[in-house]
Amino acid sequence: DADVTQTPRNRITKTGKRIMLECSQTKGHDRMYWYRQDPGLGLRLIYYSFDVKDINKGEISDGYSVSRQAQAKFSLSLESAIPNQTALYFCATSDGTANQPQHFGDGTRLSIL
Amino acid sequence: GQNIDQPTEMTATEGAIVQINCTYQTSGFNGLFWYQQHAGEAPTFLSYNVLDGLEEKGRFSSFLSRSKGYSYLLLKELQMKDSASYLCAVTSGGYNKLIFGAGTRLAVHP
Repeated sequence: DADVTQTPRNRITKTGKRIMLECSQTKGHDRMYWYRQDPGLGLRLIYYSFDVKDINKGEISDGYSVSRQAQAKFSLSLESAIPNQTALYFCATSDGTANQPQHFGDGTRLSIL
Repeated sequence: GQNIDQPTEMTATEGAIVQINCTYQTSGFNGLFWYQQHAGEAPTFLSYNVLDGLEEKGRFSSFLSRSKGYSYLLLKELQMKDSASYLCAVTSGGYNKLIFGAGTRLAVHP
């Protein structure tokens, strides 16, 4: 089983719909992150969480919200989806030790029509 | 501001050596990561440099010069499976936040 699991893997939806992407991990890491990846732009940080009570905005948080339901679960919501939120979304985790690598889930490919 | 530059695309021949460069400008630099990402898949960790010098790990090596804001990833004995994107990322500040470059797409041909 994967250490970092994202659901769904693919989603097609319409403009204006509310969407939730879920991430769960079995690595026991405190830190969790949500990124989006667009061609030519690389990975950009949306939100990150240091622990259950800590939520922080990344560089592109507008239009997104998150919830850290437990140490192992971090969900990303698009309250009212728009076409330019079409992208590949990745969840990642890391432990609290300085400069440890982040471990990525397999991604969610989201298309908004 | 923070900026990371790496070439968009590179091509190389199977069995050869290729060097992928990365230059960065960032405040509060902590360290530099290299990740490999095959098309449509998750990035996977390759290497980490915090001090100046070369870190070798099998066929892959990574070099860092903090004073020059420069790193490279060296891939030896290239194999077809090395065709992928290679992402340079720097950490700055707390929370282990990563700032990624746009990635270098490497094509290995016979």
